Amino acid sequence: QQQVKQSPQSLIVQKGGISIINCAYENTAFDYFPWYQQFPGKGPALLIAIRPDVSEKKEGRFTISFNKSAKQFSLHIMDSQPGDSATYFCAASGTYKYIFGTGTRLKVLA
Amino acid sequence: GAVVSQHPSWVICKSGTSVKIECRSLDFQATTMFWYRQFPKQSLMLMATSNEGSKATYEQGVEKDKFLINHASLTLSTLTVTSAHPEDSSFYICSAITGPYGYTFGSGTRLTVV
Repeated sequence: QQQVKQSPQSLIVQKGGISIINCAYENTAFDYFPWYQQFPGKGPALLIAIRPDVSEKKEGRFTISFNKSAKQFSLHIMDSQPGDSATYFCAASGTYKYIFGTGTRLKVLA
Repeated sequence: GAVVSQHPSWVICKSGTSVKIECRSLDFQATTMFWYRQFPKQSLMLMATSNEGSKATYEQGVEKDKFLINHASLTLSTLTVTSAHPEDSSFYICSAITGPYGYTFGSGTRLTVV
């Protein structure tokens, strides 16, 4: 019930393409779903987050789609750039205790 | 924005020695901080929740006597890896609650035990 399943494990996208990363959760008590970006040797940085009362949130090239009934949410990176190459983690939280997905290593080819 | 400063960014120590990692909230008070461990190419695993003025809450499987956590002030939490061994080599990251659902990570500490 505490797991957050993330896929794919790795992703290669051409510059300008769309990167899509998916996550699924089980615990319906979760009510906050952030996405973090992590570069090698650095701590994770918040990218974008969503609450379950909305189905989509967009910030620049980054969009979260949220499907409450399916208990799934996804990150879409539009116009992917080489600088977006990093590891992305989804997370779910209900009481500040974050449960992280397993991570997706994204590589955007120039 | 809220900043969490973690120090050192990397440390190499000899097997059997202890290492202290500091996590500071620079412009806010953090009553609760979290310590994570991350192995190469893996996700973040919560080790413990650090509460100012009280004992830390450890996750199942984390050795309390090996990973000592102290949160003596509202801006500082420390993680001490005692009697470190090579298997303790990892990337350690702290985080702090910065507001309703707000959560900021430190930059991490790469520990290598030789």
